[in-house]
Amino acid sequence: DTEVTQTPKHLVMGMTNKKSLKCEQHMGHRAMYWYKQKAKKPPELMFVYSYEKLSINESVPSRFSPECPNSSLLNLHLHALQPEDSALYLCASSQGRLIRRDTQYFGPGTRLTVL
Amino acid sequence: GDSVTQMEGPVTLSEEAFLTINCTYTATGYPSLFWYVQYPGEGLQLLLKATKADDKGSNKGFEATYRKETTSFHLEKGSVQVSDSAVYFCALSLNSGGSNYKLTFGKGTLLTVNP
Repeated sequence: DTEVTQTPKHLVMGMTNKKSLKCEQHMGHRAMYWYKQKAKKPPELMFVYSYEKLSINESVPSRFSPECPNSSLLNLHLHALQPEDSALYLCASSQGRLIRRDTQYFGPGTRLTVL
Repeated sequence: GDSVTQMEGPVTLSEEAFLTINCTYTATGYPSLFWYVQYPGEGLQLLLKATKADDKGSNKGFEATYRKETTSFHLEKGSVQVSDSAVYFCALSLNSGGSNYKLTFGKGTLLTVNP
């Protein structure tokens, strides 16, 4: 089983709202990732958690706040977003050693629209 | 820096045609190489991978061989189907470990297969 699930599938929010994206995997992976993907572009890395600790933060604005409550769950808390933050947000997981052989498995994504 | 270059799309083929999508890379170390596929409205799916020189990754009729001498990982399929219509991403990861770990994507190639 190589399934990563994400909820919700679609989200529309105003610039003053607070919302959260959720990601879950049951593959025993210990690394989890958030990516942002704009239309017709490759995914851009936002955050990496390895063994429930934040390992990489790609200089993402503070209006995006990640959280890793346990090894199976990853959240992305959203607050005071801008319309340009509208995108597909992808979660991924891998075994966790963050070495070149680590293979990332992606979820279906959350399509976020900021009004 | 490390980078992946894919052939420019879009690529349009008739059903049962032969497919090649070129991918070359530049890397400071010895990368692992991946092909991911993204169907319309979905997340990324791992299509195949190779972790060392001369390895051949294969899946669902697709193949790619890790060529270290030409720094290439071209994707091929002998007979494409309409259901293969998607965006294909070539990617690499390096054994930098820890905070230097990253999956570097090419820009993606849109494939459309007509009946």
